[in-house]
Amino acid sequence: DTEVTQTPKHLVMGMTNKKSLKCEQHMGHRAMYWYKQKAKKPPELMFVYSYEKLSINESVPSRFSPECPNSSLLNLHLHALQPEDSALYLCASSPARADEQYFGPGTRLTVT
Amino acid sequence: GESVGLHLPTLSVQEGDNSIINCAYSNSASDYFIWYKQESGKGPQFIIDIRSNMDKRQGQRVTVLLNKTVKHLSLQIAATQPGDSAVYFCAENDNSGYALNFGKGTSLLVTP
Repeated sequence: DTEVTQTPKHLVMGMTNKKSLKCEQHMGHRAMYWYKQKAKKPPELMFVYSYEKLSINESVPSRFSPECPNSSLLNLHLHALQPEDSALYLCASSPARADEQYFGPGTRLTVT
Repeated sequence: GESVGLHLPTLSVQEGDNSIINCAYSNSASDYFIWYKQESGKGPQFIIDIRSNMDKRQGQRVTVLLNKTVKHLSLQIAATQPGDSAVYFCAENDNSGYALNFGKGTSLLVTP
């Protein structure tokens, strides 16, 4: 299995909602990432988990809360988002370092 | 801060021609570089990577060239096909070793 899966593919939520994005990989990778991507822009790093521990938080607002329940799963909990948070949220994994990150298809998030 | 950038935001080529996408980087400490292809509505897909101890690396129809003297990276696609139409991002590892810094991206359009 050489893919990263993400659910849901699309999500529409109001500013008072609480939702979660899920990411899964079964490649034995020990580093997992969340990125945010706006239209026609490169992915922007949000969080990095290494061996299930949060190692990088790129000054992301607290309304985004990551969680790594085990080495195969990565969640992103969303609460009280703003319309400007609408974007494609990408999950990626790599064997321990930043080298050769494998990306999932993303979750298209719209905040209304 | 240091960044990875691209010379051309859009590139239009005819089917069958060779394509060259360029990228300038400024972090001389980077030792790993990677090219991704992103089709509309999908996550970035790994194309090819190269480490700083190499000048050239070839894959199937793709070649990456690294010129450390002028901090320049290029992606060459041979016999470009309509399926190559996408946005191409270069990326370099950052000083933490866990994150990738992405360039702005080049949109490649292959015309029949």
